[in-house]
Amino acid sequence: NAGVTQTPKFQVLKTGQSMTLQCAQDMNHEYMSWYRQDPGMGLRLIHYSVGAGITDQGEVPNGYNVSRSTTEDFPLRLLSAAPSQTSVYFCASSSQSWTVNEKLFFGSGTQLSVL
Amino acid sequence: GENVEQHPSTLSVQEGDSAVIKCTYSDSASNYFPWYKQELGKGPQLIIDIRSNVGEKKDQRIAVTLNKTAKHFSLHITETQPEDSAVYFCAATTSYNQGGKLIFGQGTELSVKP
Repeated sequence: NAGVTQTPKFQVLKTGQSMTLQCAQDMNHEYMSWYRQDPGMGLRLIHYSVGAGITDQGEVPNGYNVSRSTTEDFPLRLLSAAPSQTSVYFCASSSQSWTVNEKLFFGSGTQLSVL
Repeated sequence: GENVEQHPSTLSVQEGDSAVIKCTYSDSASNYFPWYKQELGKGPQLIIDIRSNVGEKKDQRIAVTLNKTAKHFSLHITETQPEDSAVYFCAATTSYNQGGKLIFGQGTELSVKP
């Protein structure tokens, strides 16, 4: 059982480039979310989804897009990367239905640098 | 919206001592308070959680206490071991059906010295 898989593990972009961070889970979880982790600021919610076809914004959604076409996958898109998006990105999922914020399973992260 | 403050940012203890990490939250409607442990190079992992209708919860060497009146909750680790060294995050939220989003504290880097 792989759990939550994130790819790539490391990525360097130039300002203005676009890319997609991949996230897949094999636990049949309905809830998936993306967080960014910056020093001294903890984990901040970017976007989340409570099921296929349903997405919503978190605390810091600007500059990021998401879609949820299947239960398993929840990609995060950076349309035009900026240095302020340099961070470590974590994808998380949960099996909870009405308590979707609970008992999150996190991936191992993607370290992104934007030059 | 919810705001969570976590202290201290770093904590160093000797093996066998106890460690306490404290968090305060702002939204009195918050009713779920998890703690996550993040080891170097890995994603956070849930270690214990508590709901607002419970004042204390224990799991072996780990315990969490909640004071709803003062809006703060704490993680207690007894008999610390080197493998407890990690970054610990607290979080708070209301239920999703109440519009809740999980808000994390800033993290505490715990170092347990042998």
